[in-house]
Amino acid sequence: QKEVEQDPGPLSVPEGAIVSLNCTYSNSAFQYFMWYRQYSRKGPELLMYTYSSGNKEDGRFTAQVDKSSKYISLFIRDSQPSDSATYLCAIGAFETSYDKVIFGPGTSLSVIP
Amino acid sequence: DADVTQTPRNRITKTGKRIMLECSQTKGHDRMYWYRQDPGLGLRLIYYSFDVKDINKGEISDGYSVSRQAQAKFSLSLESAIPNQTALYFCATSTSLGGETQYFGPGTRLLVL
Repeated sequence: QKEVEQDPGPLSVPEGAIVSLNCTYSNSAFQYFMWYRQYSRKGPELLMYTYSSGNKEDGRFTAQVDKSSKYISLFIRDSQPSDSATYLCAIGAFETSYDKVIFGPGTSLSVIP
Repeated sequence: DADVTQTPRNRITKTGKRIMLECSQTKGHDRMYWYRQDPGLGLRLIYYSFDVKDINKGEISDGYSVSRQAQAKFSLSLESAIPNQTALYFCATSTSLGGETQYFGPGTRLLVL
């Protein structure tokens, strides 16, 4: 079983729609959770970071973590064509010498005008 | 100017050739990383370095070597390139403040024929 699983998509939605992106993970040792956005031909950029169960909101983006179910989500409200990108979830564990970070394979999102 | 730069951005090489990918950063971060990204597999860690004297293997280091020439420079070498090393390569930097948040370069697209 992969440590992080993510539906690769592609996901195509009309402009203005609410988008839900999801990841599941297998090891409860992971303590913090991130979402990265990657535009075509660019490097990933950090979008959201959280370490607790519950919701964290930043503008149109909401990260949701359920540690009991090992499930993380990213919601995008009022989606825009500029949100078209690949979204990578990432999970991290504090360790003595190196924080282990595992990335999901990414979900490709297209927002159609 | 970009905080994390990679050269070259694109490279085509032949099986058996030695190739070096270079990364420079102006963020002042101590930690630097090399990843490769393949469709469906996500980002996989090749090597990481916490400072000039500290080099560590990641999950897929076979066939690769690295050099940390200075705090700001971290190079990845393929001693004898093979076709299954065709991938998108990313350099990243971080400063661990309560968890790893990484800053990625724009990537190098490598094709090994």
